Amino acid sequence: GNSVTQMEGPVTLSEEAFLTINCTYTATGYPSLFWYVQYPGEGLQLLLKATKADDKGSNKGFEATYRKETTSFHLEKGSVQVSDSAVYFCALIGISSGSARQLTFGSGTQLTVLP
Amino acid sequence: DVKVTQSSRYLVKRTGEKVFLECVQDMDHENMFWYRQDPGLGLRLIYFSYDVKMKEKGDIPEGYSVSREKKERFSLILESASTNQTSMYLCASGQGTGETQYFGPGTRLLVL
Repeated sequence: GNSVTQMEGPVTLSEEAFLTINCTYTATGYPSLFWYVQYPGEGLQLLLKATKADDKGSNKGFEATYRKETTSFHLEKGSVQVSDSAVYFCALIGISSGSARQLTFGSGTQLTVLP
Repeated sequence: DVKVTQSSRYLVKRTGEKVFLECVQDMDHENMFWYRQDPGLGLRLIYFSYDVKMKEKGDIPEGYSVSREKKERFSLILESASTNQTSMYLCASGQGTGETQYFGPGTRLLVL
């Protein structure tokens, strides 16, 4: 079946530091890949997505590139802000008929950015 | 903007009670989902529905049932609440296959 493995947290960074959160996946074919963010007390919001190999998703200074050869979709940001403190989830939607509508999530990575 | 609303932000129930969690979306999406979120486990799919009156089991359906009588509304039912169902419950909706899902704010349920 499909699975997503993401970097264990929590991650604590100083403001303006570089961020990488690793995400690798197991799935058949070419799934669609997503990063969702959950701010304290809120539901999940889509941060970015990529639907085919070598696609780069980007939003709010965050980027992730769909790497088929390494089955990875690592999240990066060049300079984090205190307001980026949140939980980040990597997820995929598989292509098989049974799973084409279902998101499979990683366990989430808590990011705290200190001023 | 897509809006997904959930009937309660916080609920406290007793063991054995019947619990209803309701979710409404305003974008005419065909798919709706119920997840539970637990620390260290991420989100796990309980049930989903791809059409009115249709439902499919997710990864952890035991102890839950669902109802979708109208396209915009998807209800999660705990027939007899137990303490191990204390969790955050998140509803989502989406269109088609392989497409983005949009989440509600969540309901934090405590079963005593």
